Amino acid sequence: KAGVTQTPRYLIKTRGQQVTLSCSPISGHRSVSWYQQTPGQGLQFLFEYFSETQRNKGNFPGRFSGRQFSNSRSEMNVSTLELGDSALYLCASSLGRGGGGTEAFFGQGTRLTVV
Amino acid sequence: QKEVEQDPGPLSVPEGAIVSLNCTYSNSAFQYFMWYRQYSRKGPELLMYTYSSGNKEDGRFTAQVDKSSKYISLFIRDSQPSDSATYLCAGYSGNTPLVFGKGTRLSVIA
Repeated sequence: KAGVTQTPRYLIKTRGQQVTLSCSPISGHRSVSWYQQTPGQGLQFLFEYFSETQRNKGNFPGRFSGRQFSNSRSEMNVSTLELGDSALYLCASSLGRGGGGTEAFFGQGTRLTVV
Repeated sequence: QKEVEQDPGPLSVPEGAIVSLNCTYSNSAFQYFMWYRQYSRKGPELLMYTYSSGNKEDGRFTAQVDKSSKYISLFIRDSQPSDSATYLCAGYSGNTPLVFGKGTRLSVIA
């Protein structure tokens, strides 16, 4: 059974640009949650999508957005990149909504560097 | 105060030692408590979880939760160099997202 796939694995962008990250969940999983991981703040919740609808949102500015497609694949977009957006972006997939909890499986992440 | 607090370490122990990793939390709504292991350049993987208070054992790993003191622990017996990783604790209430500690970096020296 294939795991959670995140693409690309690494990205370098310039301040002010925008970026789109992709997450393909485990087959059959309908919930995708996105997290930002930095050394200073640890893992912080961005948002959760279930059945193409945003169900929960973390405390991030509106520059961070996402969407989910009918096949459960999800994308997140960050516009007007800032240096502080440099982080590992992780997605987790689970069967049910609510972030999955005990059944959440993480991808390997996308390492975003903003220069 | 963050909902889940965790000492970032780093923690360095000799091979074979017993490792104790700890977290405290403030959200009384948490019902599930998880431990994730994250190797360098990888995503977190779920090690084990505990529901409410009590102990749970899985091989060399034991998770302990004391809800009265809001304290979460993970013990690793007979630690191995392959246990070297960052360990993340998390709380979960059932309907809201996982809330993570910042992680403790562990090195087991052969």
